[in-house]
Amino acid sequence: EAGVTQSPTHLIKTRGQQATLRCSPISGHTSVYWYQQALGLGLQFLLWYDEGEERNRGNFPPRFSGRQFPNYSSELNVNALELEDSALYLCASSLATGVYTDTQYFGPGTRLTVL
Amino acid sequence: GNSVTQMEGPVTLSEEAFLTINCTYTATGYPSLFWYVQYPGEGLQLLLKATKADDKGSNKGFEATYRKETTSFHLEKGSVQVSDSAVYFCALSSLEGKLIFGQGTELSVKP
Repeated sequence: EAGVTQSPTHLIKTRGQQATLRCSPISGHTSVYWYQQALGLGLQFLLWYDEGEERNRGNFPPRFSGRQFPNYSSELNVNALELEDSALYLCASSLATGVYTDTQYFGPGTRLTVL
Repeated sequence: GNSVTQMEGPVTLSEEAFLTINCTYTATGYPSLFWYVQYPGEGLQLLLKATKADDKGSNKGFEATYRKETTSFHLEKGSVQVSDSAVYFCALSSLEGKLIFGQGTELSVKP
């Protein structure tokens, strides 16, 4: 069974540009999560999508946005890039069952570098 | 609010040594607990999990027990290998969908 996939692997942008990151969940998973792993800041929760709806977002400015498509894949968009947006962006997927969400499985990440 | 605290690294061990990485948590309700591992240049891999008190998760020689009385989920392995060198993250589930992570503990195993 294929795991979570993300594209591209690496992305280099300049300040002020827009970046689009993509994620395909494990087959059968309806929930997709995005996390940012910046150097020295640990893993920060960005967004949670389930059944095409945004369910929760972390403490990030509105220029971080995304969506989930009918096939449950997801896109993360970062507008007006700033140098501090340079980070590894991790996508995870899970079955959305129960009060607490199920186990999250992570993709390999997209390394975004802003120059 | 909910939080996870891990022992600070880096932890440096010789091959075949015993490993313990401490993890304590603060949470309301009945979250699940996880250990993830991140090898250099890669994403996170689920190492093990426990969904309720007194559950023991185990995988690849690693194990951790969900202790509600001490709010702990310490990771242990009896004999580490060089290939275990990585960053280990303790995490708990939440009602808001997100995982709440500890700060990560870097493990370096020397031959």
